[in-house]
Amino acid sequence: AAGVIQSPRHLIKEKRETATLKCYPIPRHDTVYWYQQGPGQDPQFLISFYEKMQSDKGSIPDRFSAQQFSDYHSELNMSSLELGDSALYFCASSLLVGGVGNEQFFGPGTRLTVL
Amino acid sequence: AQKVTQAQTEISVVEKEDVTLDCVYETRDTTYYLFWYKQPPSGELVFLIRRNSFDEQNEISGRYSWNFQKSTSSFNFTITASQVVDSAVYFCATNFGNEKLTFGTGTRLTIIP
Repeated sequence: AAGVIQSPRHLIKEKRETATLKCYPIPRHDTVYWYQQGPGQDPQFLISFYEKMQSDKGSIPDRFSAQQFSDYHSELNMSSLELGDSALYFCASSLLVGGVGNEQFFGPGTRLTVL
Repeated sequence: AQKVTQAQTEISVVEKEDVTLDCVYETRDTTYYLFWYKQPPSGELVFLIRRNSFDEQNEISGRYSWNFQKSTSSFNFTITASQVVDSAVYFCATNFGNEKLTFGTGTRLTIIP
């Protein structure tokens, strides 16, 4: 079965550079979520999109922006990178039926290292 | 405040022993879902189970079992006859009536051969 695809899997950037992470949800899933997991931490919710509209927002820095495109893939854009942005970034997708508790299928993650 | 607590930071057991991972949650919502995820050393998040707040039946899946007790706001996870491949970080999570998942801080489980 098709899974969530994230690219790239690994990314190394310098401070103050920009990065773009891509996520391709499972076909027919209408909701995409982004999570950030720092070293030794639990995943923290950043932002989500339902049918290409932002549906919820967590502790996402103003330097970050995201969008969902017409083909449902999503991109997380990160500017003015800081050392503290080094983390594993997960994308998850779900089919939002009923509005609560639907299983979120996670991608393999993008490991971002900022030097 | 909505919160998920996994008090056990790290657990080590010898292979074939049983082990229980604790999860306690706080919510004011009447409708919510609880989840367990496994994160092996390779880093991916593997879905294990989802349970809704209206279903307090225990569940067993092979060597895995889950005990949901609404009265104590707990959703504990037991691995029977542990194996080395069970070594991972296990996260309990919930969504409190909306979409995003709130995770506990995780329990690192090490199975000693």
